[in-house]
Amino acid sequence: GEDVEQSLFLSVREGDSSVINCTYTDSSSTYLYWYKQEPGAGLQLLTYIFSNMDMKQDQRLTVLLNKKDKHLSLRIADTQTGDSAIYFCAETLSGGYNKLIFGAGTRLAVHP
Amino acid sequence: EAQVTQNPRYLITVTGKKLTVTCSQNMNHEYMSWYRQDPGLGLRQIYYSMNVEATDKGDVPEGYKVSRKEKRNFPLILESPSPNQTSLYFCASSSPSVPNNEQFFGPGTRLTVL
Repeated sequence: GEDVEQSLFLSVREGDSSVINCTYTDSSSTYLYWYKQEPGAGLQLLTYIFSNMDMKQDQRLTVLLNKKDKHLSLRIADTQTGDSAIYFCAETLSGGYNKLIFGAGTRLAVHP
Repeated sequence: EAQVTQNPRYLITVTGKKLTVTCSQNMNHEYMSWYRQDPGLGLRQIYYSMNVEATDKGDVPEGYKVSRKEKRNFPLILESPSPNQTSLYFCASSSPSVPNNEQFFGPGTRLTVL
């Protein structure tokens, strides 16, 4: 079945790196995403990775994908207070233009 | 500006009083979906539509209806709302022509049913 799991909370000091982890169960995932939700706001696509890739870097963001272990991580370098938000891991399956399967979301708190 | 809009953004209502949450997109997308977000559960799909007059159930469709009479609009209807439908609702749209299967989300509608 389809299931995406992630830890619920992460607290980091400003300037440190944050690593948010996610595991998924469906091996037919085509794309895996990280969405950011700031307080009172909608979902913003942060980054994504295609299932045949191992790593993707985009400025302060690094996504690592381990297909064997079905593990996805998001690393935010030099974390800032503006990075405080809920981060959702999500997957879409082959041909799945109509459905995203979300994790429960990780609340990232950045403190001085 | 390409966007998905939802109305209302906030709604407080009482049990049993029919309501409709509207969703509109201006990107000519074929696919539209409704999700609900609950603490500790992430987002779960309620209904989706592959095109005009083509809708189907998602993972949590009970108590909801949808319609897709025009490509740009996908309203969510609660015929008889109950307190367990208190949630944050998101509409999303996508298209096979969009790279990486990205879905575009509306700003959300926070619904409270008393």
